[in-house]
Amino acid sequence: DVKVTQSSRYLVKRTGEKVFLECVQDMDHENMFWYRQDPGLGLRLIYFSYDVKMKEKGDIPEGYSVSREKKERFSLILESASTNQTSMYLCASSRQGGNEKLFFGSGTQLSVL
Amino acid sequence: DQQVKQNSPSLSVQEGRISILNCDYTNSMFDYFLWYKKYPAEGPTFLISISSIKDKNEDGRFTVFLNKSAKHLSLHIVPSQPGDSAVYFCAATGATGFQKLVFGTGTRLLVSP
Repeated sequence: DVKVTQSSRYLVKRTGEKVFLECVQDMDHENMFWYRQDPGLGLRLIYFSYDVKMKEKGDIPEGYSVSREKKERFSLILESASTNQTSMYLCASSRQGGNEKLFFGSGTQLSVL
Repeated sequence: DQQVKQNSPSLSVQEGRISILNCDYTNSMFDYFLWYKKYPAEGPTFLISISSIKDKNEDGRFTVFLNKSAKHLSLHIVPSQPGDSAVYFCAATGATGFQKLVFGTGTRLLVSP
């Protein structure tokens, strides 16, 4: 069964802290994504990667960076957490090719105090 | 600018009746559309999709209709079941060779017994 695993279900951090969100997939997918979900705003794409060491900005990359050193792992980094980054963060992966469906992890609920 | 819109934040339906969830889009370059279902504390899961060359796609109790001239799609669930209670996101993409989904804001469906 396909699996996308996010390292933490809940995280509480303080303003200004550096935050790492980890995501691992076991499906040998080329593409990996980070979304955030906020009430009334749906899912918004932060960053994505279509290959190891490759990354592309999504729609809301400000305040975030990513790292993809291995094919199965995609990390989201909040360089200096702020309260407006309190959100549900969802990692997803998909195979290369057009119209391949995304598989999502269970999400990390991040609270920045 | 919200390219994919779900104007109904919530919908309540009785068990056995039809649920109709609506989605509008503005970008005429979108050519592939998907619906995802999300339960609390879980990531979204793929439900059904439709290519712009079709106007209908059916999978069991779920049918998606696409009206390209109106830039509108809808998801019909017949008959609705309490287990269908979830948040439903529509998503669209126009990328060829690489999938970057644009999601709507979601509609919370509640199916009561």
